[in-house]
Amino acid sequence: EADIYQTPRYLVIGTGKKITLECSQTMGHDKMYWYQQDPGMELHLIHYSYGVNSTEKGDLSSESTVSRIRTEHFPLTLESARPSHTSQYLCASRWAGSKETQYFGPGTRLLVL
Amino acid sequence: GESVGLHLPTLSVQEGDNSIINCAYSNSASDYFIWYKQESGKGPQFIIDIRSNMDKRQGQRVTVLLNKTVKHLSLQIAATQPGDSAVYFCAENIPYGGSQGNLIFGKGTKLSVKP
Repeated sequence: EADIYQTPRYLVIGTGKKITLECSQTMGHDKMYWYQQDPGMELHLIHYSYGVNSTEKGDLSSESTVSRIRTEHFPLTLESARPSHTSQYLCASRWAGSKETQYFGPGTRLLVL
Repeated sequence: GESVGLHLPTLSVQEGDNSIINCAYSNSASDYFIWYKQESGKGPQFIIDIRSNMDKRQGQRVTVLLNKTVKHLSLQIAATQPGDSAVYFCAENIPYGGSQGNLIFGKGTKLSVKP
């Protein structure tokens, strides 16, 4: 069982609000990831980080931003939420070596009205 | 771009039967593969992995087979139980370039177990 946490688990918010989705892991993993997933659909990588002060954009363009100030913490921020941002957001982490498993958090379900 | 795809979007099996979930991958250089199980409302959970220098790996009630010749991956679940009902994703590891260590996920297969 991986120790990776996400808060909130569910969020309903109005258009134009700023939101931050939290992700923390206690395993000391170097790499962290954010995925966006619509119900029953595939996962799309939107951000990742190799370590502290490292952030990279993923395959799917996203209006969100991320930061990695501490190893264990990788928050995702939307400056102005829109209904098109409604989705599930999954955080994951892994060790930096090759052929290492990614472990996922429980996800945050976001609904923007 | 590279892609990982699944042959069947849904699979329905009788409780107690064996299940086989298939996955095709397109990157012949991929060196590591993972199967995840995702239950409704939860994040993907690691089931089993296999490295490209292996053809088969067994876990508890699960077996992963890798055929590099045809770039095919399968997950076999023995004696399928109602608790196995979920969406199953395969993922491949990109071993090179700026995305090294990032996984590419397939679309997922929904497994339904009939009692």
